[in-house]
Amino acid sequence: NAGVTQTPKFQVLKTGQSMTLQCAQDMNHEYMSWYRQDPGMGLRLIHYSVGAGITDQGEVPNGYNVSRSTTEDFPLRLLSAAPSQTSVYFCASSYSGRAVIDTQYFGPGTRLTVL
Amino acid sequence: GQQLNQSPQSMFIQEGEDVSMNCTSSSIFNTWLWYKQDPGEGPVLLIALYKAGELTSNGRLTAQFGITRKDSFLNISASIPSDVGIYFCAGRNYGGSQGNLIFGKGTKLSVKP
Repeated sequence: NAGVTQTPKFQVLKTGQSMTLQCAQDMNHEYMSWYRQDPGMGLRLIHYSVGAGITDQGEVPNGYNVSRSTTEDFPLRLLSAAPSQTSVYFCASSYSGRAVIDTQYFGPGTRLTVL
Repeated sequence: GQQLNQSPQSMFIQEGEDVSMNCTSSSIFNTWLWYKQDPGEGPVLLIALYKAGELTSNGRLTAQFGITRKDSFLNISASIPSDVGIYFCAGRNYGGSQGNLIFGKGTKLSVKP
């Protein structure tokens, strides 16, 4: 198993550009989520999905869109990048997200800089 | 929203020393998790706690789920250089329709050989 994979690993954008961060998992996990990590802020939840076709907003959803057409993939879209979106983005997945005993597995991260 | 207060923010210790860090919350959690993040990597789960009062060990790491369900601590005994990294606590509350994780801001650990 590859686990949780993310592409690209690094990205530089100009203000106003759009892009999609890719996330895939091969563990047949129902629950997938996107976090952003900023210095001194820990990880904050952007969007999450409890299964194909179901998505919902987390703590900091503004400026981001997601979709979940398959169990394996959960892309994060930035429609019009802003410097405030400069961050490290982590995708995570777990079996269900609601079971008491449930482990979230994190991808290696995408480091995004918006100029 | 819910917040976790994690302390200390950073620690600089000598190899062989014991380390202690903790997290507190203003609200109750049903699960406490401790993650470690190495530079350039995603967080990796160290210990998961599911019951109030639970004390769980993983090698040199020991974590406890506070009786009030509003706090947790992580101890590392006899630290070694590879313990360097950022440690995050995370809580999960099953109230309502969400079971999402809330993360603390991290404790950065540096170990001097």
